[in-house]
Amino acid sequence: GENVEQHPSTLSVQEGDSAVIKCTYSDSASNYFPWYKQELGKGPQLIIDIRSNVGEKKDQRIAVTLNKTAKHFSLHITETQPEDSAVYFCAATSNDYKLSFGAGTTVTVRA
Amino acid sequence: DAGVIQSPRHEVTEMGQEVTLRCKPISGHDYLFWYRQTMMRGLELLIYFNNNVPIDDSGMPEDRFSAKMPNASFSTLKIQPSEPRDSAVYFCASSPSRGGGYNEQFFGPGTRLTVL
Repeated sequence: GENVEQHPSTLSVQEGDSAVIKCTYSDSASNYFPWYKQELGKGPQLIIDIRSNVGEKKDQRIAVTLNKTAKHFSLHITETQPEDSAVYFCAATSNDYKLSFGAGTTVTVRA
Repeated sequence: DAGVIQSPRHEVTEMGQEVTLRCKPISGHDYLFWYRQTMMRGLELLIYFNNNVPIDDSGMPEDRFSAKMPNASFSTLKIQPSEPRDSAVYFCASSPSRGGGYNEQFFGPGTRLTVL
């Protein structure tokens, strides 16, 4: 099955700086890569996703890049704000629904 | 819409007891997922349904776990008998099937299960 590795496990950034989280996957058939944000005491929430026919996607302060050759994808958050503090999960799947999640990155934005 | 509804939000039980977790998906969504989240194993997919039919239960850890979806608005995850290692947060999620590859899964708030 799919194996997704995520780094770093924790990330502390100064407010206004950028944050980058990286993931690698093992199954070359994977074609859908979502990112979820989980706040304390809540379920994960989709923040952005990308398909294998696209190299980069942006939505305001967040962007995701995908390198299918290297089998890795990254989340970039620019101009970080305190409300960006949360746990972020990457995921991958080849069938759109059976998601394999990374272990998560705890992001702390320091004021 | 109220979103995905899960009950109970917290459950504390003793080893050997039966535990039933409940989920009401978002109306109109025809995919339903059960996940388990622990510090050691992260977020794991246990089982998912499409139109009330189980599609993939390969993530169900053992026979003590069972899931049902008797209708489009209700699903249960049952553990019998429960063990301390089942302690975790269990999430239910639902998703619509739409054209164009729209795949967002909407998660409920979770049920925190503690087995003593």
